[in-house]
Amino acid sequence: EAGVTQSPTHLIKTRGQQATLRCSPISGHTSVYWYQQALGLGLQFLLWYDEGEERNRGNFPPRFSGRQFPNYSSELNVNALELEDSALYLCASSLDTGLDEKLFFGSGTQLSVL
Amino acid sequence: EDKVVQSPLSLVVHEGDTVTLNCSYEVTNFRSLLWYKQEKKAPTFLFMLTSSGIEKKSGRLSSILDKKELFSILNITATQTGDSAIYLCAPRDAGNMLTFGGGTRLMVKP
Repeated sequence: EAGVTQSPTHLIKTRGQQATLRCSPISGHTSVYWYQQALGLGLQFLLWYDEGEERNRGNFPPRFSGRQFPNYSSELNVNALELEDSALYLCASSLDTGLDEKLFFGSGTQLSVL
Repeated sequence: EDKVVQSPLSLVVHEGDTVTLNCSYEVTNFRSLLWYKQEKKAPTFLFMLTSSGIEKKSGRLSSILDKKELFSILNITATQTGDSAIYLCAPRDAGNMLTFGGGTRLMVKP
């Protein structure tokens, strides 16, 4: 069974551009989470989607947005890129919103903003 | 605001040593605490702890939670070079939100 898959693996953009990152959850998982991991730092929560709805949002500006599609895959969009957006963006999925569900992570998209 | 502090920040040991990694937290409406291992990019799940004082064990790794003192420890015995990684703890609140600590970077030398 395939794990969480993310694309692209690497993405290079310049300041002011827009980036789109994609995530496919494990089959059967309905919840998708997005995290940002800047170099040397821990995972910072960005967004949580379940059943197509945004359930929670982290402390990030509105230029970070996303959506979840009917097949539960998800997209993270970052507009007006800034240098400090350079980071590893990790997607995770879980079976549902149950409080005892563990998150399974993908290998991330490494975004570099020049 | 929820807060998670992991210590030490980094640790260098030799194969065969035993290590103890610490995670202290302040989380409103605490539900559980998860440990992950991050070797390259994708964190992989190690343990989920919900009850105080009950040790969870998997091979050479074990973990325990103290909900009164608000901390958890992860022990690794007889360390191997393959244990080199960043270890992340993440308490979960009743709203299903995980707050990750900054991690402990462990390096095991041959």
